[in-house]
Amino acid sequence: GENVEQHPSTLSVQEGDSAVIKCTYSDSASNYFPWYKQELGKRPQLIIDIRSNVGEKKDQRIAVTLNKTAKHFSLHITETQPEDSAVYFCAALKFTYQLIWGAGTKLIIKP
Amino acid sequence: ETGVTQTPRHLVMGMTNKKSLKCEQHLGHNAMYWYKQSAKKPLELMFVYSLEERVENNSVPSRFSPECPNSSHLFLHLHTLQPEDSALYLCASSQAPRFSYNEQFFGPGTRLTVL
Repeated sequence: GENVEQHPSTLSVQEGDSAVIKCTYSDSASNYFPWYKQELGKRPQLIIDIRSNVGEKKDQRIAVTLNKTAKHFSLHITETQPEDSAVYFCAALKFTYQLIWGAGTKLIIKP
Repeated sequence: ETGVTQTPRHLVMGMTNKKSLKCEQHLGHNAMYWYKQSAKKPLELMFVYSLEERVENNSVPSRFSPECPNSSHLFLHLHTLQPEDSALYLCASSQAPRFSYNEQFFGPGTRLTVL
């Protein structure tokens, strides 16, 4: 069935460096790709999303890129800060209501 | 209260118990979702209600029974659960999407432990 693969499962970067998380989806009909951030003990929250008619989207230190041909999309965080430490989830829209989620990436920012 | 609230926040139950989880959204949304979150696994969508009508039921065992009496409230009734059902149960809401691109707002979750 449809699935979303997310890598790496854990990512440790030095404060100030960049972090990249990658996701691959299987359903070529998917057309919407959000990223959610879940801090420890808190609820997931949307941080950025991209639609299939766009190749890249930026919001301050966060950017998402989409390669429809290869069916993968990536989250880029530049100038990482301690508050970026969290679990990040990617997802791809399957049907009207159903998001297929990746397994999450735990991002650790080392001081 | 603002946003999406869930009660209880923690629940411990035996396999023969019957309990219910409650979710309430104060955002004026008309779609609501139940998710199961287990460690190191993707979020699993269990049920979706749009305009109080169930639109998704992802092969969830019958020991989980959802109820959506109105667009602001969602329940998950639990009975004869198994230890593997222990997880964080998240509720979310969104505007019933016309073109499907609407952000989902999550509640804080109910941490369920089945003994």
